[in-house]
Amino acid sequence: GNSVTQMEGPVTLSEEAFLTINCTYTATGYPSLFWYVQYPGEGLQLLLKATKADDKGSNKGFEATYRKETTSFHLEKGSVQVSDSAVYFCALNDDYKLSFGAGTTVTVRA
Amino acid sequence: EAGVAQSPRYKIIEKRQSVAFWCNPISGHATLYWYQQILGQGPKLLIQFQNNGVVDDSQLPKDRFSAERLKGVDSTLKIQPAKLEDSAVYLCASSLGGTSEETQYFGPGTRLLVL
Repeated sequence: GNSVTQMEGPVTLSEEAFLTINCTYTATGYPSLFWYVQYPGEGLQLLLKATKADDKGSNKGFEATYRKETTSFHLEKGSVQVSDSAVYFCALNDDYKLSFGAGTTVTVRA
Repeated sequence: EAGVAQSPRYKIIEKRQSVAFWCNPISGHATLYWYQQILGQGPKLLIQFQNNGVVDDSQLPKDRFSAERLKGVDSTLKIQPAKLEDSAVYLCASSLGGTSEETQYFGPGTRLLVL
């Protein structure tokens, strides 16, 4: 079956630090890959996505590249801000439904 | 554009009681999803509707959970009777057509506590 494994948290960083959250997946077909983010007190929202191998999704300074050979979709940001403090979820959609990782809590200190 | 609406936002009930959640998707979205998110975990799909038909309810505990989307727009999810392990956030999401590439848009969720 389909599954997503992402880096366990919590992760605590200082402002302007580099952020990487690892995500690997198992899928029977050719999934679309997503990063969703949940800011404190808010609902889940799409951060970025990639629908085929070698695609790069980007938004708000975050990037992730769909790597079929390593079955990975790692999230990166070069310089985080306090406002990036949130829970980040990696997810895949292979059979019309989303399968989520457990989430990684990121806290950015000023 | 209005987002996905859910109510209530919070609910506290005793075990063995019943509870219902309501969801109104984004206008024009044919596909509606209900997810259960237990604390510390990612959301898990309970049921998926395409218009008013069920596409996937393989992970819905049918002995106690039921859901309907009678007119292909809003939806209700019911739990009867509730158990302690049903304490979770129940998320509703919608998408245009339900394909794998599409973005799913989530509501704010209903936080359920079963005592």
